Amino acid sequence: GAVVSQHPSRVICKSGTSVKIECRSLDFQATTMFWYRQFPKQSLMLMATSNEGSKATYEQGVEKDKFLINHASLTLSTLTVTSAHPEDSSFYICSASIEANNQPQHFGDGTRLSIL
Amino acid sequence: AQSVAQPEDQVNVAEGNPLTVKCTYSVSGNPYLFWYVQYPNRGLQFLLKYITGDNLVKGSYGFEAEFNKSQTSFHLKKPSALVSDSALYFCAVRDTGRRALTFGSGTRLQVQP
Repeated sequence: GAVVSQHPSRVICKSGTSVKIECRSLDFQATTMFWYRQFPKQSLMLMATSNEGSKATYEQGVEKDKFLINHASLTLSTLTVTSAHPEDSSFYICSASIEANNQPQHFGDGTRLSIL
Repeated sequence: AQSVAQPEDQVNVAEGNPLTVKCTYSVSGNPYLFWYVQYPNRGLQFLLKYITGDNLVKGSYGFEAEFNKSQTSFHLKKPSALVSDSALYFCAVRDTGRRALTFGSGTRLQVQP
């Protein structure tokens, strides 16, 4: 149980394109999901907390107009990288957990974004 | 602010030998501690967690971790390493006031046949 599906797994596109990444909790409901970014050979950095039915909470230094987050249902959160540029190229990973402080977060398989 | 330190970028161990991957943490309240493993181009897989109770926590794939409050450590261990254990391991902490995880920098485990 507690499977998180992330799609697409890889995106290659031209500079200026907007890219949407989906994160779904397949067998549980998640009022909160998290979006992380991982640079090569580095750790995961929290970008934002996605809250179902309300605005996302962004970490300091993350541009909310660049990284749009929508959490329209209890099983789906989307991250849209708007007008992507080469510096946005990275590995993006989402996570979700069953509601309770002691439950682990379960991660999607990540999306490798490459902007040419 | 909460933080996690993984002092070793890489750990090398021979197959069949015991392994330890180190982690120390800092939180303001009671810590919720986690270990995750990441294979290339994949997300993170949950290995084990410490919330409360016994200091020795057993997890997936034969891994275990020991919580030491006085040393603020949560080292990952396995009695006998497998080549297939070679991967990137992350320690993470969450305090009671925040649901998001704070990750350590990761430790690459290389198990040699």
